[in-house]
Amino acid sequence: EVQLVESGGGLVQPGRSLRLSCAASGFTFDDYAMHWVRQAPGKGLEWVSGISWNSGSIGYADSVKGRFTISRDNAKNSLYLQMNSLRAEDMALYYCAKAELSGDYFDYWGQGTLVTVSS
Amino acid sequence: DIVMTQSPDSLAVSLGERATINCKSSQSVLYSSNNKNYLAWYQQKPGQPPKLLIYWASTRESGVPDRFSGSGSGTDFTLTISSLQAEDVAVYYCQQYYSTSMYTFGQGTKLEIK
Repeated sequence: EVQLVESGGGLVQPGRSLRLSCAASGFTFDDYAMHWVRQAPGKGLEWVSGISWNSGSIGYADSVKGRFTISRDNAKNSLYLQMNSLRAEDMALYYCAKAELSGDYFDYWGQGTLVTVSS
Repeated sequence: DIVMTQSPDSLAVSLGERATINCKSSQSVLYSSNNKNYLAWYQQKPGQPPKLLIYWASTRESGVPDRFSGSGSGTDFTLTISSLQAEDVAVYYCQQYYSTSMYTFGQGTKLEIK
């Protein structure tokens, strides 16, 4: 059974940093691209960042480019999101999502980890 | 960026009736080399993560009831629930994965029981 478990969220002051993690199991992690998608309270889904199976291709939404860094450790079956210079508008539930091999639609999602940015 | 626009924003349908949600992309998501539309649909129930329903615009994900169907090509797509059940109350999102530099979702359509 595929499982994605996010962690690392919490309350952080504007301008500070936070590192999210996603522990994956139930599939061959290093075969698949992985993504972060966020959802602000009461709002819709926003793609944040994605990384290919071998970290050779990485992308970011314009809203986080230069502030967030995605990475993965295939030996640990883990995905990460380093978030720097956090802003109030970054406050959201952050989901880890697995992409399917044939196309970047997201076939499995974690339960999410909540990031609250407030002074 | 490819902008995805869903209509309506909210929808109330009687149990057993048909529900139709539309999604329009600002540019075509049909890849000519393989004739595939890079369009997916997700269902999100309150307090839950999104769930994949449809990919390649019309391919139903394993385990998804056959009352859910997707159609359309190019820039115009539709998600149809043929006979609404109580458990289908949710927010539905379309997503394009044609532009791999910027994946985008529609704003969501909230589906309720009339």
